[in-house]
Amino acid sequence: ELKVEQNPLFLSMQEGKNYTIYCNYSTTSDRLYWYRQDPGKSLESLFVLLSNGAVKQEGRLMASLDTKARLSTLHITAAVHDLSATYFCAVDRDGGATNKLIFGTGTLLAVQP
Amino acid sequence: EAGVTQFPSHSVIEKGQTVTLRCDPISGHDNLYWYRRVMGKEIKFLLHFVKESKQDESGMPNNRFLAERTGGTYSTLKVQPAELEDSGVYFCASSPKPTGFFPKAFFGQGTRLTVV
Repeated sequence: ELKVEQNPLFLSMQEGKNYTIYCNYSTTSDRLYWYRQDPGKSLESLFVLLSNGAVKQEGRLMASLDTKARLSTLHITAAVHDLSATYFCAVDRDGGATNKLIFGTGTLLAVQP
Repeated sequence: EAGVTQFPSHSVIEKGQTVTLRCDPISGHDNLYWYRRVMGKEIKFLLHFVKESKQDESGMPNNRFLAERTGGTYSTLKVQPAELEDSGVYFCASSPKPTGFFPKAFFGQGTRLTVV
């Protein structure tokens, strides 16, 4: 059974600090997604990573993918309060591209001033 | 352009009652997906429509859940009768028909269902 493990589950960090969220998955997958969810809001797509070694950056967030290790990371640089949210990684259930996703449990990020 | 919208945003019902959740996908999106997140657990795939047809309903937990997509537009997810373990957040997502690069799905804000 395909599993996606995300850690940590909860992350409290101070503004200005750096941290990394890890996402391990148990089988091959063509693509890996990172989503952000604010309370009561929809899941917002942050990144879609398609190939080994892929790195994407948007503002203070940078995501990378190592398909050999089946590991993706979401790195937060110089955190600000606005980044507080729950972050999910996900892979396609069928290993291809179907949008039938297996999600990690999510990481609740709280950035303290 | 309107995003994926879900109604209601919250629903509290008693065990044994029936609840119907609605999802309006982005206009023109052939693909519609239902997911749910039970408290403290991961978001899980329930089913996938292509237009009005169920393409994959392997994630539906049991026969108390019935999803429909009349005319290939909006979709409903009915839970009858509801049980306590059905509590959670139900997400809907939609994506257009692939033309070249496979398109990502866009998610709604979810319906929080509480069964008491």
